[in-house]
Order: sequence, then C-alpha cells, then structure tokens
Amino acid sequence: DIQMTQSPSSLSASVGDRVTITCRASQGVRRYLAWYQQKPGKVPSLLIYAASTLQSGVPSRFSGSGSGTDFTLTISSLQPEDVATYFCQNYNGAPLTFGGGTKVEL
Amino acid sequence: EVQLVESGGGLVQPGGSLRLSCAASGFTFSSYTMSWVRQAPGKGLEWVSDINSSGSKTYYADSVKGRFTISRDNSWNTLYLQMNSLRAEDTALYYCAKAGDMSWYDHWGQGTLVTVSS
Repeated sequence: DIQMTQSPSSLSASVGDRVTITCRASQGVRRYLAWYQQKPGKVPSLLIYAASTLQSGVPSRFSGSGSGTDFTLTISSLQPEDVATYFCQNYNGAPLTFGGGTKVEL
Repeated sequence: EVQLVESGGGLVQPGGSLRLSCAASGFTFSSYTMSWVRQAPGKGLEWVSDINSSGSKTYYADSVKGRFTISRDNSWNTLYLQMNSLRAEDTALYYCAKAGDMSWYDHWGQGTLVTVSS
C-alpha cells in the first residue's frame, strides 16, 4: 500500500503569512493527489484535485503543486477562516490512502 | 444541490453487525463512484470502500476486507455499507462521499457515528 506522509503535523502562523504543507507518497502516484480541508467539528471539503486543480468555489489563495511522490499545498496569505486540519489523499488505485493531517492554527 | 444523508449508526457490541445507508440527491447518482470514509474520534481520515457507478466493482481497505460489504441501489439513489464482525477499532464517524471524475471526493455527508463497545 502507498503511504502518505504529511509534514508538519501542526503549525502556527499569523494572518497574512504564506503557509506550505507537504505530502510525500511512498511510491509515485503521478498527479492523482487531492487536498481536503476539515474545519473543527465540520465535514471535510475538497480543495484541490489532480495535484493542482482548484475545486470550484475554493479561494485562489490556495494552490497545489507536485507530481510523483512530492506534493505541496500552499496558502498564499493565511486568513482566520483557514484554521483547520488539511489532509492529502492519493487516489492512484485502491487502496486509497490519506495523509495523517496537518493542523493549522493562528 | 448535492445532498448525502447517512443513517444507521449506533452502539453495537463487538462481533455485532450494522447496516449503514446513505440517501443521495441533487445529482445523477447512477453516474458516479461512491465511497465510505471513516474517522475515528480525534483521528485522521481512513478510506473504507468504493463502489463504481453500476455497482459491478467494489474495493475495500485491508482493515475491513471480508467483514464489510458495500452496495448500492441506483433505483433508490442509496448507498449501503453492511458491517459484520465489528471490532472496537471500527468505532468511528462514517462518511458517505461522492467521487468526482476519479476517486477524489467532491461531496461528503455529515456522517453517522458507529460505536463498538460492550
């Protein structure tokens, strides 16, 4: 099975900061990588799929990059409403796997 | 508007069974892969199972293979998860999720809580 490793597991940043979260796959997953945001007590929501395609309605301050084994989620200017846990997901065939999550705090 | 409404969760003893349902609306249910994803209390997301649009292909996490069965009724726009031989480690919030063009999940239900405890 492909393991997805996110780093850091948590971070604290200020409003307006640029935030970068990384996700590393134990084997290449091409660009079959999605990112989700889960706010406290809420349901996960899709931010990005195909490594860099922004889901409709997601603010443009979110961006994704990478292919193969190394991926990045960037928040260009952190906003208070971005406080959440972020998960990457590999969908390069079953079993699908999620990263352990990155908790972003202010 | 896409809506996914799960039901069927509850408290069950180890070794017991439960059947989860997910009622879907707001999209052409029969055209999309559907999935179950779970989240143990305070933990991350764990993919459980996928079923393709017609129901002809199913996939399972190793942790549930042989114990859980995913199915769907495209006439009733409903997804199911039959869970047998439940263990304490199956305790989680179970989400129903709609896949996009591939198995990323663009819509999620609110989840139904399954607690396995004696």
